[in-house]
Amino acid sequence: ETGVTQSPTHLIKTRGQQVTLRCSSQSGHNTVSWYQQALGQGPQFIFQYYREEENGRGNFPPRFSGLQFPNYSSELNVNALELDDSALYLCASSPRGPPYGYTFGSGTRLTVV
Amino acid sequence: DQQVKQNSPSLSVQEGRISILNCDYTNSMFDYFLWYKKYPAEGPTFLISISSIKDKNEDGRFTVFLNKSAKHLSLHIVPSQPGDSAVYFCAADNAGNMLTFGGGTRLMVKP
Repeated sequence: ETGVTQSPTHLIKTRGQQVTLRCSSQSGHNTVSWYQQALGQGPQFIFQYYREEENGRGNFPPRFSGLQFPNYSSELNVNALELDDSALYLCASSPRGPPYGYTFGSGTRLTVV
Repeated sequence: DQQVKQNSPSLSVQEGRISILNCDYTNSMFDYFLWYKKYPAEGPTFLISISSIKDKNEDGRFTVFLNKSAKHLSLHIVPSQPGDSAVYFCAADNAGNMLTFGGGTRLMVKP
């Protein structure tokens, strides 16, 4: 059973640029969620995808967008990068329904300069 | 508005003793609570969870207690081991749509 894999592991971008982060969900998991973890804080929910549709969104602006593909993998896109977007971006996959066994990837460390 | 809070940023415990990590929440709509452990450069790893209809769940050395009237949950680790040293996050779920995390508690278990 493969876990959640994220790519790339590290990324440096310039303010104003756009970035795409990728996530492959765990086998059997059809729901993917994205979280942003700033230094010294807990992860913050960005959005969730189920059946290729956005299924909940946290307090993030529209320049944060995503996709889920038929194989349940997902992308997180961030446009017009700002310095405050520097964070660890975590992807979590889960099956539908309780006990909500979210499995997290190791994350992508994004640095905006 | 921080709906899930972990008021102790760090905790130091001697090997073999009990570690107690605490978490408070404000949203009574949360129906599931989870604890995650996180090592540097890794994603959070699921430890144990509890449904809001229960008050205790045990898995080996880990026990989670839920006090709904106080909106408080705690994670007990007995006995604590040096390998337990990590950052622990409590998280609350509302119908499987999203996890709301606390800020984390760094546990250090001294040999």
